[in-house]
Amino acid sequence: QKEVEQNSGPLSVPEGAIASLNCTYSDRGSQSFFWYRQYSGKSPELIMSIYSNGDKEDGRFTAQLNKASQYVSLLIRDSQPSDSATYLCAVKGISGGYNKLIFGAGTRLAVHP
Amino acid sequence: DARVTQTPRDKVTEMGQEVTMRCQPILGHNTVFWYRQTMMQGLELLAYFRNRAPLDDSGMPKDRFSAEMPDATLATLKIQPSEPRDSAVYFCASGLVHEGPAFFGQGTRLTVV
Repeated sequence: QKEVEQNSGPLSVPEGAIASLNCTYSDRGSQSFFWYRQYSGKSPELIMSIYSNGDKEDGRFTAQLNKASQYVSLLIRDSQPSDSATYLCAVKGISGGYNKLIFGAGTRLAVHP
Repeated sequence: DARVTQTPRDKVTEMGQEVTMRCQPILGHNTVFWYRQTMMQGLELLAYFRNRAPLDDSGMPKDRFSAEMPDATLATLKIQPSEPRDSAVYFCASGLVHEGPAFFGQGTRLTVV
């Protein structure tokens, strides 16, 4: 079982719709959760951090965390073609006595006009 | 504008040659990660430093890869000898706090022929 799992997609949504991206993780001791966006040929860019159960909103983005279910999600409201990218879920948890930042394989999002 | 700086941006080398990649973390950041990204494997954690001390390099092929932080402003990743299967994009990322996110450099695209 991979430490961080994501559906590879592509997830295709029409412009203006809500895009829902999901991620599960295996380490119950994980403490910090992040969403990164990566455009083709570019480096990952941090878009959201979440540390406690519940929802966290930032503009059109909402991150949701459920530690009991070991599940974290990202909602993108009013999706735009410029949101088309790969979205990487990252989880930080103590492993061997120190924090390790592990990434999922990413979900490719395509927003079509 | 604080950012992680990686050099070189692109490197083409012949099999068997030594390759050195350099990273300047964001000033004041005390954690440094090295990742390798390929289409097949996604982002793989190679090495992790905190306060310049290596905490984990279990993701690195030990016989050919080495990672060091000679000082707080420089991290290096060395491959000797390089092989075609090492062709990938290598990212360095740095972070400030224990639970916090990491911020990525632009990456070094390595091609071993």
